[in-house]
Amino acid sequence: KAGVTQTPRYLIKTRGQQVTLSCSPISGHRSVSWYQQTPGQGLQFLFEYFSETQRNKGNFPGRFSGRQFSNSRSEMNVSTLELGDSALYLCASSLEFSYEQYFGPGTRLTVT
Amino acid sequence: QQQVKQSPQSLIVQKGGISIINCAYENTAFDYFPWYQQFPGKGPALLIAIRPDVSEKKEGRFTISFNKSAKQFSLHIMDSQPGDSATYFCAASGGYQKVTFGTGTKLQVIP
Repeated sequence: KAGVTQTPRYLIKTRGQQVTLSCSPISGHRSVSWYQQTPGQGLQFLFEYFSETQRNKGNFPGRFSGRQFSNSRSEMNVSTLELGDSALYLCASSLEFSYEQYFGPGTRLTVT
Repeated sequence: QQQVKQSPQSLIVQKGGISIINCAYENTAFDYFPWYQQFPGKGPALLIAIRPDVSEKKEGRFTISFNKSAKQFSLHIMDSQPGDSATYFCAASGGYQKVTFGTGTKLQVIP
């Protein structure tokens, strides 16, 4: 089985712009979660989607949003980028009732 | 509020030695405790996990010890190898909460 894929792998944006990141889960996995990883804050949970519905949400501002499509692929969007949004954004997929998460390689976002 | 505390922040171990990483949690609703291994440029990979109904789980050179009353769990890497050099994250989840991660331990195994 192919693993979790994320595109793009690297991204450079300017403060104030918006960005969309994409995640394709492992085949058969319907739950997709997004995390932000920074040296200072570690791995922080953004949100989780299941069957096109947001099931859980972390403590991030409304500039961070996501969605899931009927094929379980997910996107996250960050609007009005700030320098502090520079991070590795990780997507993880899992089966419906499983806590076992499988991570993609991440998208490295740099905001200048 | 940090719900999973991890220590140490970094660890240097000689090849063949035992690496020990500790974590403590607060939320008694947690019922699944995984450990993840992350190499530079990669996403975290699930290494081993335990549920609170057992006190120990071993997979190869990796062992999780779990103390429910103390709300603590630890990862032991026996016969540590240079290839084990990575960042290790403990985590916890349960109830309606998805995974909460510890702050990570950077392990370096020196020859």
